[in-house]
Amino acid sequence: AQSVTQLDSQVPVFEEAPVELRCNYSSSVSVYLFWYVQYPNQGLQLLLKYLSGSTLVKGINGFEAEFNKSQTSFHLRKPSVHISDTAEYFCAVTFTGGGNKLTFGTGTQLKVEL
Amino acid sequence: GAVVSQHPSRVICKSGTSVKIECRSLDFQATTMFWYRQFPKQSLMLMATSNEGSKATYEQGVEKDKFLINHASLTLSTLTVTSAHPEDSSFYICSARDPGTSTDTQYFGPGTRLTVL
Repeated sequence: AQSVTQLDSQVPVFEEAPVELRCNYSSSVSVYLFWYVQYPNQGLQLLLKYLSGSTLVKGINGFEAEFNKSQTSFHLRKPSVHISDTAEYFCAVTFTGGGNKLTFGTGTQLKVEL
Repeated sequence: GAVVSQHPSRVICKSGTSVKIECRSLDFQATTMFWYRQFPKQSLMLMATSNEGSKATYEQGVEKDKFLINHASLTLSTLTVTSAHPEDSSFYICSARDPGTSTDTQYFGPGTRLTVL
């Protein structure tokens, strides 16, 4: 079965510290990988995506993620977070032959503190 | 990037009434749109895939007679919650796939908060 796992439900971090939000997937077919951010009472905004090519993907707001096929991971990183980064972050995957359907992880609440 | 809008942003209705939510792709034509439901502090659950000019494809467990989806044009899909009940209260989010950009990228609307009294 194909699935997406975000092990950390909450990640507290101090402002200007680095952060990594973990995402692992399980699939027997090729995948496309995405990270979305959701601010309170809003829809989802695309942060970055991996479709093919370079495994290190840079997105908006200083975020980046690295696709690791051997570890089936797509962890999101930012070297220095800001208070404004406080939000819910969702990892999502589409699987080849899945009809463009996104499978979401359960989300990670990033809380940036002063 | 591509912009998707939803209307209304929030709606409160009485139990037993029907509510229509609109999802529009503003700067691209979307042959495929998706409807999601999100409960508080939970992830998004795909309800159905809306295909322009054809019937929607519903996920297992989603009542198609309860959640009516119409995708009459390339820029508009509507979700109608019929005979709404308090348990239908939720955050409904649509997304649209832009065929003119990278494969499989979905752009999301801002969501509609439905409260059924």
